[in-house]
Order: sequence, then C-alpha cells, then structure tokens
Amino acid sequence: DAGITQSPRHKVTETGTPVTLRCHQTENHRYMYWYRQDPGHGLRLIHYSYGVKDTDKGEVSDGYSVSRSKTEDFLLTLESATSSQTSVYFCAISQGQLGNSPLHFGNGTRLTVT
Amino acid sequence: DQQVKQNSPSLSVQEGRISILNCDYTNSMFDYFLWYKKYPAEGPTFLISISSIKDKNEDGRFTVFLNKSAKHLSLHIVPSQPGDSAVYFCAASAVGDYKLSFGAGTTVTVRA
Repeated sequence: DAGITQSPRHKVTETGTPVTLRCHQTENHRYMYWYRQDPGHGLRLIHYSYGVKDTDKGEVSDGYSVSRSKTEDFLLTLESATSSQTSVYFCAISQGQLGNSPLHFGNGTRLTVT
Repeated sequence: DQQVKQNSPSLSVQEGRISILNCDYTNSMFDYFLWYKKYPAEGPTFLISISSIKDKNEDGRFTVFLNKSAKHLSLHIVPSQPGDSAVYFCAASAVGDYKLSFGAGTTVTVRA
C-alpha cells in the first residue's frame, strides 16, 4: 500500500451532512491526490496537493474541498453530501513528475449518501 | 469530456491465451502512459508504463505498445493467468504535469 491509510474505509451518511475523509501517508511524498471511482467513468480527479497548504482543483471538484496542513495528511470534505457523491474515494501519493514516480493508491473509502 | 478512452468494458479470455486491452487518447500533449490493475476492495496498483519516445515496453508477461500517430496504446498479457482477472485502467499524463487522466477501465476475466 506504499504507506497510505484511508479512513474510514466505509461510511454511510445522510444527504446534507458534512463528511470528511482522511488520507495519511508515511512516505513523505510531496504530491497527494483524491480520486473518485464510478462505473463507466473510471477514476476522476477531485483535488490534488503539491505541498503543505498548496492545493488545486481536479476535473470534478464541485461540492468538495480539501486541506493539507501537514505533509502526511490530506483531508477531503464534502461540504453538504448529495446522493451523486456516493462513490468509492481513493487517495494517491507521488514523489514528483509522473514519468519518474507513478501514483500509489490507498485501498479506498466507500461512501454511501442516503 | 474523457481524454482517455477504453471502449471495451470487459474481456473474457481462456487461461494461457493472450489478453489484449486497448486504450485511445485525444490529448496530443500526453507523453507518458501507464496501466494500472485493480482487484475488488483494493486500490489500483501500477503495472507498466511507457514514454512517448518509445513504442514498446516489456515487463515479464506484460507488454505495452504505443502508436502515437493513432493516439492508441494497448496492453498485451501473455500468457493470461487466473490471477490476472481484475479491472485494468489506462492512464496518461502530459509533459510536466502532476496529474493522471484515467480511462473507464476494462474488466478482464481469465477462464480456466
């Protein structure tokens, strides 16, 4: 797992509630990413970070925010969960430019919004 | 609009035969291509990659071919084994980019 821990592994929540997913790494990698996996769409990038307090949006960032106050932790927050955010969320890490350092993924968080 | 496309959602192959997975891309700035393998309830794991300066890369039973003019790449698995049954994702990144764009995935089932 390249030293990546996602928590929780499973969560069920109600529409309209805030939810925070956590990604913790022990590899001291600079880059961290949040992807969601949905049938027919593969993996889509939500947000990514290129350093402490440095983050940027991915292709499906609406309704999500992130924070990175320490190198090892990257938090994903659903500000007001909707049923369309039911998905499997994967955190990934990388050392640098992808030609030299492929992304390594955690085992995912399965989120169900009822 | 998906820039990386895997048009075959599934593939069934007999054990010992070749599996061929295909991937097309639309972004001409992509210069690095990867394949990931994913088992249920686990995260994707890196399998093999290829740079745009090459047209073939081989690692054991896995070979990736790149045709830049056609914006097409393929993954060959020879011989296919039951443990190869998984979802395979094609991914790509552009020069100097830190992000990967993924295809929708192809589910491979290897029959005994």
